[in-house]
Amino acid sequence: KQEVTQIPAALSVPEGENLVLNCSFTDSAIYNLQWFRQDPGKGLTSLLLIQSSQREQTSGRLNASLDKSSGRSTLYIAASQPGDSATYLCAVRLLYGGATNKLIFGTGTLLAVQP
Amino acid sequence: DAGVIQSPRHEVTEMGQEVTLRCKPISGHNSLFWYRQTMMRGLELLIYFNNNVPIDDSGMPEDRFSAKMPNASFSTLKIQPSEPRDSAVYFCASNRLGDTRSPLHFGNGTRLTVT
Repeated sequence: KQEVTQIPAALSVPEGENLVLNCSFTDSAIYNLQWFRQDPGKGLTSLLLIQSSQREQTSGRLNASLDKSSGRSTLYIAASQPGDSATYLCAVRLLYGGATNKLIFGTGTLLAVQP
Repeated sequence: DAGVIQSPRHEVTEMGQEVTLRCKPISGHNSLFWYRQTMMRGLELLIYFNNNVPIDDSGMPEDRFSAKMPNASFSTLKIQPSEPRDSAVYFCASNRLGDTRSPLHFGNGTRLTVT
């Protein structure tokens, strides 16, 4: 059974700092991995999607890496801003065959960027 | 693109009442997911549909929960009878089946309170 874990559960940093969020998964048979952010009272917004054949994806100040063999992904946020404060979740899409589309989510990291 | 649309945004009901949550996926998306989010259990997949067909309902907690997708643009999640432990935020999400680069898009959720 695929399990997805995120460490740390909560993180507080001063504005301007670079930071890394971690995601680990137990089964390397995945199609892709996605990083989401969730603001209070809102749904999840997709940030980055890494295909199983890729090593990393970048979008602005965000960089996500994937090491499938070790079951790890990291989300790097450069020059953090107060507006980055949110809960960050990772999710893996399971590889069961052509029709599968099931995503398993981690428990999230609550990030607070202090001005 | 209006995104995934859920209604109602908030629902307060008494124990024993029937609750119906509604979702309109993004046009062109042929996979639809229902998730439930609580502080204790995080984000749980309840059921998902591919091309309007239920594929995996193993996350549906019990027979009180049922979901339908009568066409490609509409889905419902029904709880009958509702119980206080059903209180949670229910999210609907959609993406394109068969496209491993298609990120999952979430609605803003329905916050359900059962008293």
